[in-house]
Amino acid sequence: AQRVTQPEKLLSVFKGAPVELKCNYSYSGSPELFWYVQYSRQRLQLLLRHISRESIKGFTADLNKGETSFHLKKPFAQEEDSAMYYCALKAPNQGGKLIFGQGTELSVKP
Amino acid sequence: DGGITQSPKYLFRKEGQNVTLSCEQNLNHDAMYWYRQDPGQGLRLIYYSQIVNDFQKGDIAEGYSVSREKKESFPLTVTSAQKNPTAFYLCASSSSGALYEQYFGPGTRLTVT
Repeated sequence: AQRVTQPEKLLSVFKGAPVELKCNYSYSGSPELFWYVQYSRQRLQLLLRHISRESIKGFTADLNKGETSFHLKKPFAQEEDSAMYYCALKAPNQGGKLIFGQGTELSVKP
Repeated sequence: DGGITQSPKYLFRKEGQNVTLSCEQNLNHDAMYWYRQDPGQGLRLIYYSQIVNDFQKGDIAEGYSVSREKKESFPLTVTSAQKNPTAFYLCASSSSGALYEQYFGPGTRLTVT
């Protein structure tokens, strides 16, 4: 079964510290993976997608097929990074369905 | 102003009543989705529609119904059969092509007492 797991409900770091939000998936084929972010009082929005291999707001995420992981990283956290982060998997030929993880709340303290 | 709109923002209903949540998009997207967001459970897919007049059940469709009579609109009805309807409901629509993305509405918070 396809599944996305984010093991941390809450991650609290100080400003300037590195941050890593963990995401593991179970899927036997070639998934598309995404990170979505929800800032306070804002809509859920796409942060980055693995196929673009991009860095957005200083965040990067590398797909590791061997470990079935797609962890989100940023070397120096900022207070404005505080938000809810969701990892999501899109399986091919399933009508664009996204399977979301449980979410990790990132709190960056001054 | 383009995008996805959901109304109302807050909705209160008595137990035993059906209630319909509105979702409209002007992005010209074929596919639309309804999710339920509960603390600690992430987003769970209720129903989705890839094209007008067609829709499929998601992972937690019991107690919900949808229609897709127009491309722009995908209303969700929460019926009295839904055992735990109090939740935050999110609607989304998606683009097609290589750079796939789901665009989300602002959500409707439904409280049933």
